[in-house]
Amino acid sequence: QSVLTQPISASGTPGQRVTISCSGSSSNIGSRNVNWYQQVPGAAPKLLIQRDNQRPSGVPDRFSGSKSGTSASLAISGLQSEDEADYYCAAWDDSLDAIVFGRGTKLTVL
Amino acid sequence: QVQLVESGGGVVQPGRSLRLSCAASGFTFRSDAMHWVRQAPGKGLEWVAMIWYDGINKHYSDTVKGRFTISRDNSKNTLSLQMNSLRVEDTALYYCVRDPAGSGWAFESWGQGTLVTVSS
Repeated sequence: QSVLTQPISASGTPGQRVTISCSGSSSNIGSRNVNWYQQVPGAAPKLLIQRDNQRPSGVPDRFSGSKSGTSASLAISGLQSEDEADYYCAAWDDSLDAIVFGRGTKLTVL
Repeated sequence: QVQLVESGGGVVQPGRSLRLSCAASGFTFRSDAMHWVRQAPGKGLEWVAMIWYDGINKHYSDTVKGRFTISRDNSKNTLSLQMNSLRVEDTALYYCVRDPAGSGWAFESWGQGTLVTVSS
């Protein structure tokens, strides 16, 4: 069982807004930055959101991140077919002295 | 542009050793922390190990601690992962990852990965 809990799957239709949650604890999300990654099939992961809510250069503003307490969320608005991918949250964990990943959420665009 | 090129993967028997390498270019390698992240076939991402910019401080996941050793050569811009006592469950695609200074543990750049298969 992963330290960070994500839903296994999510789905939406083109143009919709979807959110993916990531639940942790005080030793990771509650005290550390959360980062989000997108992995399309067959490709290496790509940094999508860093430091809870910052978009790296080149990431569309349709993607946004937020955090409250020991939970974080990734929101995707104006859903597009190319957004179909696996999404992972990650954070440093002070108790484990390790980076922890969520199990990943498979997003399907219907 | 940033390039991370992994090498050294292959098929190895359980209990044997393998050494992975990552050639870095396009950024100031000696300034950034570096990580290895792996992904078993059809599974999610798993963090393996990290090394600070100076090569002194290192951290490992519990699953590889005592078996794997991460190292770097800042004069050659290379990152390495020595994997000993390999197990079937170590089978995965191993990614070399850049963690820029001050990024908040953000994995900004990833290589394409090198595949390690542990099988008898």
